[in-house]
Amino acid sequence: SQKIEQNSEALNIQEGKTATLTCNYTNYSPAYLQWYRQDPGRGPVFLLLIRENEKEKRKERLKVTFDTTLKQSLFHITASQPADSATYLCALRRGSSNTGKLIFGQGTTLQVKP
Amino acid sequence: EAGVAQSPRYKIIEKRQSVAFWCNPISGHATLYWYQQILGQGPKLLIQFQNNGVVDDSQLPKDRFSAERLKGVDSTLKIQPAKLEDSAVYLCASGTGTGNEKLFFGSGTQLSVL
Repeated sequence: SQKIEQNSEALNIQEGKTATLTCNYTNYSPAYLQWYRQDPGRGPVFLLLIRENEKEKRKERLKVTFDTTLKQSLFHITASQPADSATYLCALRRGSSNTGKLIFGQGTTLQVKP
Repeated sequence: EAGVAQSPRYKIIEKRQSVAFWCNPISGHATLYWYQQILGQGPKLLIQFQNNGVVDDSQLPKDRFSAERLKGVDSTLKIQPAKLEDSAVYLCASGTGTGNEKLFFGSGTQLSVL
């Protein structure tokens, strides 16, 4: 079955630096991969989606890359701010339709220090 | 637009008791998901509905968990009887049902089984 691995250790960086989070998966290549942000006591919030035929996607200070050869996605936050501190989850689905499960990784906690 | 509504926000019960959670998705959303999130882990899919039909319930412990989606709108998730290991946050999410859909999550119900 599909497995998703994200860094279990928290990532601590200084304000203004670029944060890079990793999402690795095994088994099949997903049709698309999503990244969500989760704050304590809240549900995840969608950030970005990248399809299997896309190498890179950007949205403001966020950038996602998708390497189907390495079976890896990288999530970058440039010019990080303390408000970016949260847990970031990657999720993937096998097919582009909605009949497959949307599976989540365990998340990586980011702490941005002022 | 109004978000995904869940209730109750918190619930404390003793083992072997029963409990029910309620979810009202975003109006017009075809898909509805129930996820279980244990502390420190990513969300785990329990059941996925498309309108009022079940798409996937392969990870739902059917001997104690049940879920229904009334008229393709609201949904309830029930646990009977509860076990200690059911202590978790139960998240409801909804999506448009179109390809590459993103999920909108509620704030979840935090369940503690004593």
